[in-house]
Amino acid sequence: KAGVTQTPRYLIKTRGQQVTLSCSPISGHRSVSWYQQTPGQGLQFLFEYFSETQRNKGNFPGRFSGRQFSNSRSEMNVSTLELGDSALYLCASRWYRGGGAQETQYFGPGTRLLVL
Amino acid sequence: EDKVVQSPLSLVVHEGDTVTLNCSYEVTNFRSLLWYKQEKKAPTFLFMLTSSGIEKKSGRLSSILDKKELFSILNITATQTGDSAVYLCAVEWNAGGTSYGKLTFGQGTILTVHP
Repeated sequence: KAGVTQTPRYLIKTRGQQVTLSCSPISGHRSVSWYQQTPGQGLQFLFEYFSETQRNKGNFPGRFSGRQFSNSRSEMNVSTLELGDSALYLCASRWYRGGGAQETQYFGPGTRLLVL
Repeated sequence: EDKVVQSPLSLVVHEGDTVTLNCSYEVTNFRSLLWYKQEKKAPTFLFMLTSSGIEKKSGRLSSILDKKELFSILNITATQTGDSAVYLCAVEWNAGGTSYGKLTFGQGTILTVHP
């Protein structure tokens, strides 16, 4: 079974631009979460999508947004990029059966974004 | 606010040594604690712990959770250079009986194993 895939793997942008990152979950997984990883702040939760709905959101400004498609693929968008947005953006997927079942999140390789 | 603290932040050992990594947490509505290993890119899953006192093992790695004292340890015996990585502890909270995909991570422990 293929793992979580993310595209692109590397990206260089300039301040003020916007960027869209893509995540394809493991086949059959319906929940996708996004995280930002920086040396200073570590791994921080951005948001989670399930069945095309955002169910949970971390403490990030509105410039960070996302969406999920009917095939469970997800995109996140960052508008008006700032230098501090340089980070590794990771997405993680899981099946999500609901009913209190505990399921592991599996991470993709990440997209490394550099804002100049 | 939910908080996960790992210690030590970095550790340097020689091959064959045994290491113990610590993770303490303050999370409302605890659901599960997970350990991940991150080498260069994606964190790879090691263990999920939900019940106190039950040790999980995988080869030379083992982990246990203490829900009363709110901590977990990850043990690695007979370390090898391939164990060099960042070890991340994350806690998942429970929102009204369902889990909404948010993991709160600790800062990570950087383990370096010298030959």
